Amino acid sequence: QQQVKQSPQSLIVQKGGISIINCAYENTAFDYFPWYQQFPGKGPALLIAIRPDVSEKKEGRFTISFNKSAKQFSLHIMDSQPGDSATYFCAASITGGFKTIFGAGTRLFVKA
Amino acid sequence: GAVVSQHPSWVICKSGTSVKIECRSLDFQATTMFWYRQFPKQSLMLMATSNEGSKATYEQGVEKDKFLINHASLTLSTLTVTSAHPEDSSFYICSAISSLRDEQFFGPGTRLTVL
Repeated sequence: QQQVKQSPQSLIVQKGGISIINCAYENTAFDYFPWYQQFPGKGPALLIAIRPDVSEKKEGRFTISFNKSAKQFSLHIMDSQPGDSATYFCAASITGGFKTIFGAGTRLFVKA
Repeated sequence: GAVVSQHPSWVICKSGTSVKIECRSLDFQATTMFWYRQFPKQSLMLMATSNEGSKATYEQGVEKDKFLINHASLTLSTLTVTSAHPEDSSFYICSAISSLRDEQFFGPGTRLTVL
């Protein structure tokens, strides 16, 4: 119940294309769903996050779509750029509980 | 945004020695800090939750006598890997919760290599 399943494991996208990464969770108590971006040798950095009271959140080229009934959420990167090449982790946590459960990660490579 | 630092950024040590890694929240107070371990091309695995002024809570399978955690102040937590062995070689990442923003901020990580 504590797992967050993430797919795909790796993704190759042409420059200018749309990158889509999907995650699914089981624990309905989760109420905070962040996405992190990690470059090699660096710590994760918060990219964008969503709470279950909204179905979509957009910040620049990054959009989270959230489907509460299906217990799924996804990250869309529009107009993907080579600089977006990194590992992306979805995560889930319970506000106040703080413990964050991470997905397995998706290695994105954007071809120039 | 809030900044979390780690020191050192990388360390190489001999097998059997102990290594201390510091995690500091630079511009906010963090009552809770977390320590993660990340192997190459893998996700972050939570090792322990560190609360200021109290004992750390370790995840199942993490040896608390091997990975000593001290959270002495609202801005500093330390992880000491005791009697390190090559299998302890990994990327160790801390994070801190900002009580004002209910958001988790990660440090840049510490690469530990045990020879």
